[in-house]
Amino acid sequence: QKEVEQNSGPLSVPEGAIASLNCTYSDRGSQSFFWYRQYSGKSPELIMFIYSNGDKEDGRFTAQLNKASQYVSLLIRDSQPSDSATYLCAVSGGTSYGKLTFGQGTILTVHP
Amino acid sequence: SAVISQKPSRDICQRGTSLTIQCQVDSQVTMMFWYRQQPGQSLTLIATANQGSEATYESGFVIDKFPISRPNLTFSTLTVSNMSPEDSSIYLCSVEDRGHHTEAFFGQGTRLTVV
Repeated sequence: QKEVEQNSGPLSVPEGAIASLNCTYSDRGSQSFFWYRQYSGKSPELIMFIYSNGDKEDGRFTAQLNKASQYVSLLIRDSQPSDSATYLCAVSGGTSYGKLTFGQGTILTVHP
Repeated sequence: SAVISQKPSRDICQRGTSLTIQCQVDSQVTMMFWYRQQPGQSLTLIATANQGSEATYESGFVIDKFPISRPNLTFSTLTVSNMSPEDSSIYLCSVEDRGHHTEAFFGQGTRLTVV
């Protein structure tokens, strides 16, 4: 049984701070790791993906992957109120990127 | 990225009835997926819809309850059969866009309420 666990929320940070979201996964065969953002009432929107150990940066977002520890994280720098949403960690194994196992999500609130 | 259109966007249905959800993609894709998101929960994969073959269902989901069609490379339907209030969820279609060699994209979802 593949499992993906996210740090329990909700997470509240002040505007301009760094928000740190964490995720662990149980299947060592997992190959692709994704972070989706979901606003209330909307469908998930991909914000980051990472395949290799290390850091990957895209604007204010940095994804970090440590396969040995089976750990993936998302850092949001200079957090904005518009970043307030549920963040979903998703993992896929094998060659099908679309077959995802999702974590339970972490609700992030950025307050002015 | 692929553009995915789902219909209907929402519906309120009587228990015991069935609803068919349509998913249309603007480009040919090999694999399409159907997910369910129950209230306050994360997404759970229902099945993978393959063109020209039977859908592959995940544990806990069966074809009699969630029949799926995939007549071509741009279209799929999911039917929620003999509905009960427990089927009230958001149902999401996604596709794997290998042209972008990465990720799955999601349609806007169908919000189903069973009364």
